[in-house]
Amino acid sequence: GAGVSQSPSNKVTEKGKDVELRCDPISGHTALYWYRQSLGQGLEFLIYFQGNSAPDKSGLPSDRFSAERTGGSVSTLTIQRTQQEDSAVYLCASRDRGLNTEAFFGQGTRLTVV
Amino acid sequence: AQSVTQPDIHITVSEGASLELRCNYSYGATPYLFWYVQSPGQGLQLLLKYFSGDTLVQGIKGFEAEFKRSQSSFNLRKPSVHWSDAAEYFCAVGLGTYKYIFGTGTRLKVLA
Repeated sequence: GAGVSQSPSNKVTEKGKDVELRCDPISGHTALYWYRQSLGQGLEFLIYFQGNSAPDKSGLPSDRFSAERTGGSVSTLTIQRTQQEDSAVYLCASRDRGLNTEAFFGQGTRLTVV
Repeated sequence: AQSVTQPDIHITVSEGASLELRCNYSYGATPYLFWYVQSPGQGLQLLLKYFSGDTLVQGIKGFEAEFKRSQSSFNLRKPSVHWSDAAEYFCAVGLGTYKYIFGTGTRLKVLA
């Protein structure tokens, strides 16, 4: 695709429900990142994929959070048993191989847990 | 520990005035450096990047940034701000092969 696409753009869910957030990276980009941006905060790293594997998932805040990537392309971030503190904008970014490359970001999914 | 500091949470400037947004990093080696801009409801857009070579880099929308190794800084500048520059600006550091660390952002307000 022309850019990183995230869906849905907005999601309102009830506390305790599970949600899935989708990221479609730029075609051919091998690296994929998920970040969380809370109100007034910077970007909090969640997980990094290289291809389909996740060598760094150190930023996932709890075992309620998981992510997968299939076919070296689409990634899904799943939050189980959502809590109000999970409310944030979830940003996905992808990057081409090589050190001298920058990350391209999607427009994010705004998650509101009520 | 590696870190990125943007000391100014909010900055307000008048349209046409010059702008400098500060960014300091802590890292043992020369990092890759980036400035991103986030307009309301949008994702992050890359303004400019520094990997090596000339320490003064030019970006889009008339922005430039200067890498100063001695000060561990990568400040963003623009000689004349436009109302459309109102947004949040993030400095980021690329470490090693894949990791990025972002600052907490500086929100720019432009007065007409």
